[in-house]
Amino acid sequence: AQSVTQLGSHVSVSEGALVLLRCNYSSSVPPYLFWYVQYPNQGLQLLLKYTTGATLVKGINGFEAEFKKSETSFHLTKPSAHMSDAAEYFCAVSGFNAGNMLTFGGGTRLMVKP
Amino acid sequence: DAGVIQSPRHEVTEMGQEVTLRCKPISGHDYLFWYRQTMMRGLELLIYFNNNVPIDDSGMPEDRFSAKMPNASFSTLKIQPSEPRDSAVYFCASRPGQAISGANVLTFGAGSRLTVL
Repeated sequence: AQSVTQLGSHVSVSEGALVLLRCNYSSSVPPYLFWYVQYPNQGLQLLLKYTTGATLVKGINGFEAEFKKSETSFHLTKPSAHMSDAAEYFCAVSGFNAGNMLTFGGGTRLMVKP
Repeated sequence: DAGVIQSPRHEVTEMGQEVTLRCKPISGHDYLFWYRQTMMRGLELLIYFNNNVPIDDSGMPEDRFSAKMPNASFSTLKIQPSEPRDSAVYFCASRPGQAISGANVLTFGAGSRLTVL
């Protein structure tokens, strides 16, 4: 069994400020972890993923996330927010087998103030 | 590759009418998923297929919903009869099978926004 909790359904930051979106997971098997981003009126697209190896993962648009097994977390960060980062962000977890399905968190809507 | 293609992008219909949503997955992807997204319930998995066979439809809300995948390049999600509470954005997604790198990465379509009046 697996689950994902995203703390904060809405996060607001000023342009240029640090972005931190929180994700905690539970999984009975070693997890694969993902962040997806959804821009208005679009589908979800992959931002970054952790499978094995290096625990700090870099994604598109300057985002990165760190897998911390001891904390069962996979928080998403970006040093400096841009207006174009305004979107909804989804954390997801799956097992390492292809038969394991993705379980999504509830999503966090990021708002960027000028 | 053109990605996952969904149609229509927008559908407005009246209660009681039949609605058919269509999806063309990425060529070579063995898995196809239908999701529903609403403000109240977030992203919900409705059903998924592996090699055109429905594997898990436990997320389908009720018998008014049905999904088919007659071949590897086409799937439909049908609602009959439709109700206002079915108003949502419906996403189709696909991914490769186990033997292929990136097997767990879903590629989503742009979605079909359904409004039932």
